[in-house]
Amino acid sequence: EPEVTQTPSHQVTQMGQEVILRCVPISNHLYFYWYRQILGQKVEFLVSFYNNEISEKSEIFDDQFSVERPDGSNFTLKIRSTKLEDSAMYFCASGGTGSRSTEAFFGQGTRLTVV
Amino acid sequence: DAKTTQPPSMDCAEGRAANLPCNHSTISGNEYVYWYRQIHSQGPQYIIHGLKNNETNEMASLIITEDRKSSTLILPHATLRDTAVYYCIVRGVYNFNKFYFGSGTKLNVKP
Repeated sequence: EPEVTQTPSHQVTQMGQEVILRCVPISNHLYFYWYRQILGQKVEFLVSFYNNEISEKSEIFDDQFSVERPDGSNFTLKIRSTKLEDSAMYFCASGGTGSRSTEAFFGQGTRLTVV
Repeated sequence: DAKTTQPPSMDCAEGRAANLPCNHSTISGNEYVYWYRQIHSQGPQYIIHGLKNNETNEMASLIITEDRKSSTLILPHATLRDTAVYYCIVRGVYNFNKFYFGSGTKLNVKP
């Protein structure tokens, strides 16, 4: 069964460093998403991406964040200068194969720890 | 997208049916009801969705009231592995943007 895969599963980085979280969405999906979950809190939407551009973003997704689909298969989330409060689980999701809304499938996440 | 209301927690005995309610009284005619769950800190897992008819798949059944203002997710024979937070989400048929995860219902399946 196709699935969304995320790498790495755990990343530790120093404050101020740049990190890139990687995702391989399900191959025929058209919509891509990033969410995050700070320990003990809700799953929060960051950004959605369609047709090579951002379709919606939350207030959390500020200038420190960017997304890219560099090669038609990978979907990446970059955090330019990490802060301690960026420590969280980051989930990638993909969905939508046509014109009607469908379910989205989530990866198992990358645990980002900023020290 | 319409807001949803779920109880914060529920208990269920292993092997019994778990019935998880969701209120979505402001749902509009072009909005689906989706159910996801999150086991511990894993990625949210899609369970089922529906528009107005009841739906069943290998994981669960979804019962939507005739007025569409509420729904119930049924896990027919709950196991310990079904212990998770269950989210009821309403999203427009033509809305491909975010799924909004609220607080959900923590289902505790007990032996």
